[in-house]
Amino acid sequence: QKEVEQDPGPLSVPEGAIVSLNCTYSNSAFQYFMWYRQYSRKGPELLMYTYSSGNKEDGRFTAQVDKSSKYISLFIRDSQPSDSATYLCATQFYSSASKIIFGSGTRLSIRP
Amino acid sequence: NAGVMQNPRHLVRRRGQEARLRCSPMKGHSHVYWYRQLPEEGLKFMVYLQKENIIDESGMPKERFSAEFPKEGPSILRIQQVVRGDSAAYFCASSPSTGTGAPSSGNTIYFGEGSWLTVV
Repeated sequence: QKEVEQDPGPLSVPEGAIVSLNCTYSNSAFQYFMWYRQYSRKGPELLMYTYSSGNKEDGRFTAQVDKSSKYISLFIRDSQPSDSATYLCATQFYSSASKIIFGSGTRLSIRP
Repeated sequence: NAGVMQNPRHLVRRRGQEARLRCSPMKGHSHVYWYRQLPEEGLKFMVYLQKENIIDESGMPKERFSAEFPKEGPSILRIQQVVRGDSAAYFCASSPSTGTGAPSSGNTIYFGEGSWLTVV
């Protein structure tokens, strides 16, 4: 079983739609949960991170963690064509930030 | 402020040759990480280095792969006798501190744009 499972997609939605991206993880000891965005042939960039269960909002993006079900979500409101990218969920232990454990990524396409 | 610089961006090697990938961390960063991204897979941790020290190489394949971060110059990931299965994107990342704790602005690791290795 992979430590972080993510549906690879691809996911295609029209511009302006609400996007929901999801991951599950297996180890209850993970403490930080992140979402990275990766454009084609580029390195991943950190979008958001959360520590505890609950929601965290940043502009059009909301990250949600449910530790009881080991479920991580990213919601994108008012999606734009520029949001088209691969979104990687990731987790880490407190003491091992160097070893970030990534999901395989979901490829998202926003249709104008 | 330049980001993490990797070169070459694209590298083609024949089976059995050596590949050398270089990474210059962001200015002021003394911690370097290498990750590998195989096709249709997420990034996998390989090695974590500080200047002249390998801190954690638990993700490195046991043979043919080595990494260094000398006192002067870039970090280098070296792959000897490459095989087709080594074809992947190799990402370097750097951070200003140890990277423990929350991935806040002080501990965030910043990724380079990657080096794409193709073995023919």
